[in-house]
Amino acid sequence: RKEVEQDPGPFNVPEGATVAFNCTYSNSASQSFFWYRQDCRKEPKLLMSVYSSGNEDGRFTAQLNRASQYISLLIRDSKLSDSATYLCVVLSGAGSYQLTFGKGTKLSVIP
Amino acid sequence: NAGVTQTPKFRILKIGQSMTLQCTQDMNHNYMYWYRQDPGMGLKLIYYSVGAGITDKGEVPNGYNVSRSTTEDFPLRLELAAPSQTSVYFCASSFPRGTADKPFFGPGTRLTVL
Repeated sequence: RKEVEQDPGPFNVPEGATVAFNCTYSNSASQSFFWYRQDCRKEPKLLMSVYSSGNEDGRFTAQLNRASQYISLLIRDSKLSDSATYLCVVLSGAGSYQLTFGKGTKLSVIP
Repeated sequence: NAGVTQTPKFRILKIGQSMTLQCTQDMNHNYMYWYRQDPGMGLKLIYYSVGAGITDKGEVPNGYNVSRSTTEDFPLRLELAAPSQTSVYFCASSFPRGTADKPFFGPGTRLTVL
C-alpha cells in the first residue's frame, strides 16, 4: 500500500468553482500533515499545515480525519493563479527527514 | 535572505561522468536535505543532514554522496552518472521544531544523463 496516496487528476475547473482534493496515508502513527503547492517546473512551496481541528487560510481550508487517515484541501472561488500541482505531505516521525510526499494532484483553473 | 540556492540550474552529463550539485542556505537552518523528483512521481529523499558534520541516508542514496562541512552548504556528489539519475534535484532546509518542522526548497537542478 502506498504511504501517501492522492488522486493525480487533472482537475479542470472553471474560475470561481470550489474544488476539493483528498489524500490518504497509511501510517497511523503519522504526526503532522501539510499541503504544498508546486508550479510547473518549480520547487514545492508550503501552502498550509493541517490541524486536527481544521484550519482555514483565506479561500483554502484543510481538514484532517485521523480515524480515517484522510486529509483534504478545499479551494473556494478558484482563481487562474491556483493552477498548480498540490502535494500532500505527511510527517511520520520525530524529524522532518521522515516526511513522505504524495505524487500530487494537478489542478487547472479554466477561464 | 536568499533562502535556499542551488547551482547549476540545468546540466547534461554523459554516462560515467561526475558532478557536484551545490546547495547553500542563509537561514541558519540545522537540517538540510536532498530530494529527487522524477516525472509524475513524488519527491524521494536521497540524503539528509541534521547539522554540520552529520549526514545520513534517505530512501534512495545509491549513486550519491554528500558532505556537510558548514551549516550553510550541503553539496550532493554524483560519481558515475547513469541514465537512471536523470531527474530534478531539490535541496531543502528547515529549522527543527519537532512536528512543526517544514522544509523550504531551493529552485532545483534539472539533470539529464545521456
